[in-house]
Amino acid sequence: KNQVEQSPQSLIILEGKNCTLQCNYTVSPFSNLRWYKQDTGRGPVSLTIMTFSENTKSNGRYTATLDADTKQSSLHITASQLSDSASYICVVSALGNAGNMLTFGGGTRLMVKP
Amino acid sequence: KAGVTQTPRYLIKTRGQQVTLSCSPISGHRSVSWYQQTPGQGLQFLFEYFSETQRNKGNFPGRFSGRQFSNSRSEMNVSTLELGDSALYLCASSFQRDEQFFGPGTRLTVL
Repeated sequence: KNQVEQSPQSLIILEGKNCTLQCNYTVSPFSNLRWYKQDTGRGPVSLTIMTFSENTKSNGRYTATLDADTKQSSLHITASQLSDSASYICVVSALGNAGNMLTFGGGTRLMVKP
Repeated sequence: KAGVTQTPRYLIKTRGQQVTLSCSPISGHRSVSWYQQTPGQGLQFLFEYFSETQRNKGNFPGRFSGRQFSNSRSEMNVSTLELGDSALYLCASSFQRDEQFFGPGTRLTVL
């Protein structure tokens, strides 16, 4: 069964600090992995997408890593800002006959305090 | 390019009623997927439509149904509402099998 586990479930950090969110998956056959940011009451917005051959991808202060061997990904946020307070969702896509099959992680709820 | 739009944004219904939610995808996108999001369960996949055909389906009861029109707009219907159906319903569109773009969601409250 395809699964995506995220940790921690929630995190509180002070503004300006860095943090790292984790995503472990058992999805096969692997197609790609995405990190989404979801503000409260809004739809998720894509931050990064990584395929099998990519190890690192950055989007501003967000840097995602992927280790396809251990099936782990991380999202590192540098110099956090109050606007980073949101849920971060890891989504892994598997190749399927009828298109990409998506498995969603439960998300990490990040709160950045001043 | 306009994003994914969903209507209505908020909805209050009572148990036993039915509800229809609407989603207009990004122009040119042919795939529309629906998700239910609750605090305890996270994002749960409902179904995906591509060119008016249901391509994938999640593990939801038959009370949840959907359809897609020739202009790629999609509707989702929930019949005989239950309290547990209270959730944020998200629609996402994509061109074919690539990145999904999410709408703002419809917040459904069942009393």
